[in-house]
Amino acid sequence: NAGVTQTPKFRILKIGQSMTLQCAQDMNHNYMYWYRQDPGMGLKLIYYSVGAGITDKGEVPNGYNVSRSTTEDFPLRLELAAPSQTSVYFCASSTGTGDSPLHFGNGTRLTVT
Amino acid sequence: GENVEQHPSTLSVQEGDSAVIKCTYSDSASNYFPWYKQELGKGPQLIIDIRSNVGEKKDQRIAVTLNKTAKHFSLHITETQPEDSAVYFCAASIRGTASKLTFGTGTRLQVTL
Repeated sequence: NAGVTQTPKFRILKIGQSMTLQCAQDMNHNYMYWYRQDPGMGLKLIYYSVGAGITDKGEVPNGYNVSRSTTEDFPLRLELAAPSQTSVYFCASSTGTGDSPLHFGNGTRLTVT
Repeated sequence: GENVEQHPSTLSVQEGDSAVIKCTYSDSASNYFPWYKQELGKGPQLIIDIRSNVGEKKDQRIAVTLNKTAKHFSLHITETQPEDSAVYFCAASIRGTASKLTFGTGTRLQVTL
C-alpha cells in the first residue's frame, strides 16, 4: 500500500516562478490536507479538503491555491514563488471521522531563491 | 484560536533512560491530543493519542498523561532506544473538527549510546 505519495521530493524555484506540488493517496480518504513545516515552527495548515470539489483555507493560505477534482488527488499550486515560501511541504489524508489519525506523505523540500 | 506550547525543543538522553516531553494548550474546548513522531526525511506518524475522558494511556514503552484542569499533557518514553531518536510533535484539537488540529513546535529527541 503506497499511502500518501508526494512529488517532487526536492525543488528549487526562482522568485516569481510557479509550480504545482502533487499529492495522491490510495486509501480512499475523504479528508486531505496541506501543511508547511518551518524550523522551530511546527506544522501550519495551508489548505484542506473534506471531499472532491470542496476545499477550504487553513491558517496560512496566502500565496497558494488548491483543487480537489478527485478523491485521490490534492495538488497545491504556487503561482508567484517568494522566498517566504521556502519550506518543507507535507500532504496528509484522513478518514475525517471523529479522531482519525493523519497519514502524511514524505514531504517536498522547496527552496525559493 | 488554540495555542499549543511544547517543551523542551531538544532533549538528549542516554539509552535506557526515560524521556518526557510536555505540552500545554489554551482552548479548554480541546478534547483530543495526539502525538506524532517524525523520523529524518519522512512525514510525521501518529504514535499515541489521548482523549479528554481519560487521564493516562499506555502503549508498551510510551505513555501519555493529561491534566485537563492545568491544560497540559505529556509524552513519556521509558527504556529509550536509539530508534526513538526523532522529532516529536504534540497536537490538540476538538473532536470531530479535523481541520482544527494545532501542532506544537516539536522536540528533537536524541538517544545516545
